[in-house]
Amino acid sequence: EPEVTQTPSHQVTQMGQEVILRCVPISNHLYFYWYRQILGQKVEFLVSFYNNEISEKSEIFDDQFSVERPDGSNFTLKIRSTKLEDSAMYFCASSELPRLAGFGANVLTFGAGSRLTVL
Amino acid sequence: DQQVKQNSPSLSVQEGRISILNCDYTNSMFDYFLWYKKYPAEGPTFLISISSIKDKNEDGRFTVFLNKSAKHLSLHIVPSQPGDSAVYFCAASANTGNQFYFGTGTSLTVIP
Repeated sequence: EPEVTQTPSHQVTQMGQEVILRCVPISNHLYFYWYRQILGQKVEFLVSFYNNEISEKSEIFDDQFSVERPDGSNFTLKIRSTKLEDSAMYFCASSELPRLAGFGANVLTFGAGSRLTVL
Repeated sequence: DQQVKQNSPSLSVQEGRISILNCDYTNSMFDYFLWYKKYPAEGPTFLISISSIKDKNEDGRFTVFLNKSAKHLSLHIVPSQPGDSAVYFCAASANTGNQFYFGTGTSLTVIP
Protein backbone atom coordinates (compact mmCIF):
# COMPACT_ATOMS: atom_id res chain seq x y z
CA GLU A 1 0.00 0.00 0.00
CA PRO A 2 1.39 3.44 -0.87
CA GLU A 3 2.72 5.38 2.09
CA VAL A 4 4.15 8.74 3.03
CA THR A 5 7.69 8.46 4.32
CA GLN A 6 9.40 10.95 6.60
CA THR A 7 13.00 11.44 7.63
CA PRO A 8 14.51 11.72 10.13
CA SER A 9 12.33 9.89 12.63
CA HIS A 10 13.92 11.86 15.45
CA GLN A 11 16.15 14.91 15.43
CA VAL A 12 17.74 16.66 18.37
CA THR A 13 19.04 20.16 17.77
CA GLN A 14 20.27 23.17 19.66
CA MET A 15 18.13 26.28 19.91
CA GLY A 16 18.89 28.65 17.05
CA GLN A 17 19.96 25.92 14.63
CA GLU A 18 18.33 25.26 11.28
CA VAL A 19 16.42 22.05 10.79
CA ILE A 20 15.12 20.44 7.61
CA LEU A 21 12.48 17.73 7.82
CA ARG A 22 11.94 15.64 4.74
CA CYS A 23 8.92 13.88 3.34
CA VAL A 24 8.22 11.74 0.31
CA PRO A 25 4.48 11.97 -0.43
CA ILE A 26 2.51 9.31 -2.27
CA SER A 27 3.51 9.52 -5.91
CA ASN A 28 0.16 10.36 -7.50
CA HIS A 29 -0.85 12.83 -4.80
CA LEU A 30 -0.82 16.49 -5.67
CA TYR A 31 -1.51 18.19 -2.34
CA PHE A 32 0.95 18.22 0.50
CA TYR A 33 0.65 19.28 4.10
CA TRP A 34 2.63 19.71 7.27
CA TYR A 35 0.99 19.31 10.66
CA ARG A 36 2.55 19.22 14.07
CA GLN A 37 1.62 17.88 17.48
CA ILE A 38 3.17 19.24 20.63
CA LEU A 39 3.20 16.54 23.29
CA GLY A 40 -0.25 16.11 24.82
CA GLN A 41 -1.86 18.70 22.56
CA LYS A 42 -3.92 18.65 19.40
CA VAL A 43 -2.60 18.05 15.92
CA GLU A 44 -2.16 21.52 14.40
CA PHE A 45 -2.17 22.53 10.76
CA LEU A 46 0.93 24.35 9.56
CA VAL A 47 0.77 24.62 5.79
CA SER A 48 -0.64 23.16 2.60
CA PHE A 49 1.17 23.13 -0.73
CA TYR A 50 0.03 22.64 -4.29
CA ASN A 51 1.55 23.26 -7.68
CA ASN A 52 4.82 24.42 -6.17
CA GLU A 53 3.33 27.06 -3.97
CA ILE A 54 1.74 27.47 -0.57
CA SER A 55 -2.04 27.34 -0.79
CA GLU A 56 -2.82 27.87 2.90
CA LYS A 57 -0.86 28.48 6.05
CA SER A 58 -1.67 28.91 9.71
CA GLU A 59 -0.57 31.55 12.18
CA ILE A 60 2.05 29.12 13.44
CA PHE A 61 3.76 29.12 10.04
CA ASP A 62 5.68 32.34 10.46
CA ASP A 63 8.81 33.60 8.72
CA GLN A 64 10.94 30.99 10.50
CA PHE A 65 9.22 28.26 8.50
CA SER A 66 9.47 27.48 4.82
CA VAL A 67 8.50 24.61 2.56
CA GLU A 68 9.66 23.52 -0.82
CA ARG A 69 9.54 20.69 -3.25
CA PRO A 70 13.13 20.64 -4.49
CA ASP A 71 12.60 17.77 -6.91
CA GLY A 72 9.78 15.56 -8.12
CA SER A 73 9.52 13.50 -4.97
CA ASN A 74 10.66 15.30 -1.81
CA PHE A 75 8.66 17.84 0.17
CA THR A 76 10.62 19.61 2.89
CA LEU A 77 9.88 21.74 5.92
CA LYS A 78 12.67 24.06 7.04
CA ILE A 79 12.82 25.81 10.38
CA ARG A 80 15.49 28.50 10.13
CA SER A 81 16.23 29.22 13.75
CA THR A 82 14.65 26.70 16.07
CA LYS A 83 13.09 27.69 19.37
CA LEU A 84 12.35 25.52 22.39
CA GLU A 85 8.64 25.69 21.60
CA ASP A 86 9.25 24.14 18.18
CA SER A 87 9.78 20.81 19.92
CA ALA A 88 6.99 18.62 18.58
CA MET A 89 6.14 15.71 16.31
CA TYR A 90 5.90 16.97 12.76
CA PHE A 91 3.63 15.05 10.40
CA CYS A 92 3.71 15.27 6.66
CA ALA A 93 0.55 14.33 4.78
CA SER A 94 -0.57 14.17 1.19
CA SER A 95 -3.86 13.86 -0.63
CA GLU A 96 -4.83 13.13 -4.19
CA LEU A 97 -7.26 16.00 -4.36
CA PRO A 98 -7.94 19.06 -2.24
CA ARG A 99 -10.76 19.35 0.26
CA LEU A 100 -12.50 21.70 -2.12
CA ALA A 101 -12.81 18.89 -4.67
CA GLY A 102 -15.61 17.45 -2.58
CA PHE A 103 -16.33 14.91 0.08
CA GLY A 104 -14.31 11.75 0.18
CA ALA A 105 -11.86 12.92 -2.42
CA ASN A 106 -9.27 14.34 -0.15
CA VAL A 107 -8.50 12.00 2.71
CA LEU A 108 -5.11 12.87 4.09
CA THR A 109 -2.53 10.11 4.27
CA PHE A 110 -0.02 10.82 7.01
CA GLY A 111 3.58 9.81 7.45
CA ALA A 112 4.88 8.34 10.71
CA GLY A 113 6.21 11.71 11.82
CA SER A 114 9.52 13.32 12.66
CA ARG A 115 10.08 14.06 16.32
CA LEU A 116 11.99 17.31 16.78
CA THR A 117 13.59 18.03 20.12
CA VAL A 118 15.07 21.51 20.59
CA LEU A 119 17.46 21.89 23.52
CA ASP B 1 -8.89 28.39 19.75
CA GLN B 2 -10.19 24.85 20.10
CA GLN B 3 -12.65 24.40 17.27
CA VAL B 4 -12.71 20.63 17.65
CA LYS B 5 -12.88 19.15 21.13
CA GLN B 6 -12.50 15.64 22.40
CA ASN B 7 -13.27 15.99 26.07
CA SER B 8 -12.37 12.46 27.09
CA PRO B 9 -8.61 11.96 27.03
CA SER B 10 -8.97 8.24 27.66
CA LEU B 11 -11.49 5.41 27.55
CA SER B 12 -11.30 1.77 28.65
CA VAL B 13 -13.68 -0.85 27.32
CA GLN B 14 -13.95 -4.61 27.67
CA GLU B 15 -13.33 -6.68 24.58
CA GLY B 16 -16.58 -7.39 22.75
CA ARG B 17 -18.36 -4.36 24.15
CA ILE B 18 -19.13 -1.10 22.38
CA SER B 19 -16.65 1.79 22.39
CA ILE B 20 -18.12 5.26 21.95
CA LEU B 21 -15.77 8.13 21.28
CA ASN B 22 -17.15 11.64 21.26
CA CYS B 23 -16.22 14.84 19.48
CA ASP B 24 -17.70 18.33 19.62
CA TYR B 25 -17.08 21.25 17.31
CA THR B 26 -17.85 24.94 17.43
CA ASN B 27 -17.59 26.09 13.82
CA SER B 28 -20.95 25.83 12.05
CA MET B 29 -19.13 26.01 8.70
CA PHE B 30 -17.62 22.55 9.21
CA ASP B 31 -19.23 20.12 6.81
CA TYR B 32 -16.83 17.22 6.54
CA PHE B 33 -15.57 15.11 9.41
CA LEU B 34 -13.00 12.37 9.66
CA TRP B 35 -11.80 9.97 12.31
CA TYR B 36 -8.19 8.92 12.42
CA LYS B 37 -6.57 6.20 14.48
CA LYS B 38 -3.01 6.48 15.70
CA TYR B 39 -0.73 3.79 17.08
CA PRO B 40 2.48 4.76 18.92
CA ALA B 41 5.38 5.66 16.61
CA GLU B 42 3.06 5.78 13.60
CA GLY B 43 1.21 8.55 11.83
CA PRO B 44 -2.57 8.93 12.03
CA THR B 45 -4.42 6.47 9.80
CA PHE B 46 -7.75 7.35 8.21
CA LEU B 47 -10.64 5.35 9.62
CA ILE B 48 -13.99 6.73 8.51
CA SER B 49 -15.58 9.98 7.38
CA ILE B 50 -18.96 11.64 7.24
CA SER B 51 -20.27 14.64 5.39
CA SER B 52 -22.86 17.03 6.70
CA ILE B 53 -25.46 15.75 4.25
CA LYS B 54 -25.59 12.51 6.25
CA ASP B 55 -26.19 11.72 9.88
CA LYS B 56 -24.67 8.26 9.87
CA ASN B 57 -21.95 6.40 8.05
CA GLU B 58 -21.07 2.78 8.66
CA ASP B 59 -18.03 0.74 7.69
CA GLY B 60 -17.84 -2.71 9.21
CA ARG B 61 -17.45 -2.44 12.97
CA PHE B 62 -17.15 1.36 12.78
CA THR B 63 -20.07 3.78 12.65
CA VAL B 64 -19.91 7.53 12.83
CA PHE B 65 -22.94 9.56 13.85
CA LEU B 66 -23.33 13.27 13.21
CA ASN B 67 -25.71 15.56 15.08
CA LYS B 68 -25.44 18.89 13.33
CA SER B 69 -27.79 20.76 15.62
CA ALA B 70 -25.71 19.75 18.63
CA LYS B 71 -22.42 20.11 16.71
CA HIS B 72 -21.50 16.68 17.94
CA LEU B 73 -20.24 13.52 16.36
CA SER B 74 -19.41 10.14 17.76
CA LEU B 75 -17.55 7.06 16.65
CA HIS B 76 -18.97 3.69 17.66
CA ILE B 77 -16.84 0.57 17.52
CA VAL B 78 -18.68 -2.68 18.02
CA PRO B 79 -17.54 -5.19 18.97
CA SER B 80 -14.35 -3.68 20.35
CA GLN B 81 -11.17 -5.68 19.87
CA PRO B 82 -7.77 -5.40 21.63
CA GLY B 83 -6.25 -4.30 18.32
CA ASP B 84 -8.49 -1.23 18.43
CA SER B 85 -6.41 0.12 21.32
CA ALA B 86 -5.00 3.38 19.95
CA VAL B 87 -5.47 7.13 20.06
CA TYR B 88 -8.46 8.30 18.04
CA PHE B 89 -8.54 11.78 16.54
CA CYS B 90 -11.58 13.60 15.27
CA ALA B 91 -10.95 16.10 12.45
CA ALA B 92 -13.21 18.60 10.73
CA SER B 93 -13.04 20.90 7.74
CA ALA B 94 -15.11 23.55 6.00
CA ASN B 95 -15.55 23.95 2.26
CA THR B 96 -13.76 27.29 2.43
CA GLY B 97 -10.32 25.77 2.52
CA ASN B 98 -8.16 22.68 2.63
CA GLN B 99 -7.30 22.77 6.32
CA PHE B 100 -8.44 20.06 8.73
CA TYR B 101 -8.85 20.93 12.39
CA PHE B 102 -8.03 18.14 14.80
CA GLY B 103 -9.08 17.39 18.34
CA THR B 104 -6.64 16.42 21.07
CA GLY B 105 -7.44 12.73 20.76
CA THR B 106 -8.94 10.01 22.94
CA SER B 107 -6.80 7.08 23.98
CA LEU B 108 -8.84 3.90 23.76
CA THR B 109 -7.81 0.78 25.64
CA VAL B 110 -9.69 -2.41 24.90
CA ILE B 111 -9.19 -4.87 27.71
CA PRO B 112 -9.08 -8.56 26.69
